[in-house]
Amino acid sequence: DTGVSQNPRHKITKRGQNVTFRCDPISEHNRLYWYRQTLGQGPEFLTYFQNEAQLEKSRLLSDRFSAERPKGSFSTLEIQRTEQGDSAMYLCASSQGVSGSISGANVLTFGAGSRLTVL
Amino acid sequence: AQSVTQPDIHITVSEGASLELRCNYSYGATPYLFWYVQSPGQGLQLLLKYFSGDTLVQGIKGFEAEFKRSQSSFNLRKPSVHWSDAAEYFCAVPYSGTYKYIFGTGTRLKVLA
Repeated sequence: DTGVSQNPRHKITKRGQNVTFRCDPISEHNRLYWYRQTLGQGPEFLTYFQNEAQLEKSRLLSDRFSAERPKGSFSTLEIQRTEQGDSAMYLCASSQGVSGSISGANVLTFGAGSRLTVL
Repeated sequence: AQSVTQPDIHITVSEGASLELRCNYSYGATPYLFWYVQSPGQGLQLLLKYFSGDTLVQGIKGFEAEFKRSQSSFNLRKPSVHWSDAAEYFCAVPYSGTYKYIFGTGTRLKVLA
């Protein structure tokens, strides 16, 4: 298993453009998370998928952000009309958990992240 | 609401010295607790976790952590630091009733040769 893969690793874009990040989780993991990390801060939760269902979204996820996980495999995070404040590292993580269980006893495996710079 | 506090933003130690990184949490019940490490430009790697049982847990790379319920702490320790331990360290807990995990602001470790 190659772990959690994220692409692209770096993206530089101009304000107002749309960007899309892709995450390929560990194949047997049914849970997938997106986090955002800015300089000097810990990761902040954005959204969570269990299989293909998006079960939780943070208030940080404005309507310019959309995430999908078709077929419960890879996931995409799209940011529309990017703003300079969107510049951050976007981290994807996956885990294996019991469907329907909200237990916090899950070990998250993180990808290397996708760094976004909005000019 | 649950929270995680890492009081030390930066810590500098000499190679071979001992290390303790602090983590305090606010949680209603016995929490699940995690320590992750992040090298520059990389994602987070799990160092160790506490779910239940023995309050002293061993992790990878020679790290250990002790869960102290009375102090709401889960401090990370290493008896002898190596230069390769220079990185940023994050403590995390699940947010009760949700699927998310919350992370502390991190402690950046610098190791002097």
